[in-house]
Amino acid sequence: DVKVTQSSRYLVKRTGEKVFLECVQDMDHENMFWYRQDPGLGLRLIYFSYDVKMKEKGDIPEGYSVSREKKERFSLILESASTNQTSMYLCASSPEPPGWETQYFGPGTRLLVL
Amino acid sequence: GQSLEQPSEVTAVEGAIVQINCTYQTSGFYGLSWYQQHDGGAPTFLSYNGLDGLEETGRFSSFLSRSDSYGYLLLQELQMKDSASYFCAVRDWDDKIIFGKGTRLHILP
Repeated sequence: DVKVTQSSRYLVKRTGEKVFLECVQDMDHENMFWYRQDPGLGLRLIYFSYDVKMKEKGDIPEGYSVSREKKERFSLILESASTNQTSMYLCASSPEPPGWETQYFGPGTRLLVL
Repeated sequence: GQSLEQPSEVTAVEGAIVQINCTYQTSGFYGLSWYQQHDGGAPTFLSYNGLDGLEETGRFSSFLSRSDSYGYLLLQELQMKDSASYFCAVRDWDDKIIFGKGTRLHILP
């Protein structure tokens, strides 16, 4: 069965801390994505990667960076957490076309920055 | 800019049919996808339209008309478990995935 896991379901951090969110998929998918989800705003793409060591900016990359050293793992890094980064973070993966449009999501990490 | 518009909420009765619309403004895209998300859960893929027309998967159908910049998700024989949020999404020519803000479906018994 397809599986995407995220390192934490809930996380509380303080302003200025460096935060690592990890995502692992076991489907050998080439493509991985990080989104944040906020009420009334839907899902917004932060970064995505279509290969190891490759990354592309999404719509809201400011304040974030990513790392993809292995195919199965895609990490989101908040260099210096701020309160406006309090959100639900969702990781997803998808195969190469023709399956690109089918994204498989992890359970999400709800991050609270104090 | 690129955007997808959906109604924020829709209410329907158990056993009935409901249609959730998605209109979009994008410079170009590969196809339209639909996702379902229950409260506290992750989005799950429902359907994809790469070509114009209707795609059917059990009780759910999805439609795309590129000439009208419009698509919809049709849910038939509504069940209480269909109460959820539904998102349309496109992949644009830059390979970015753009989601609509979601439609909250309320089902009345």
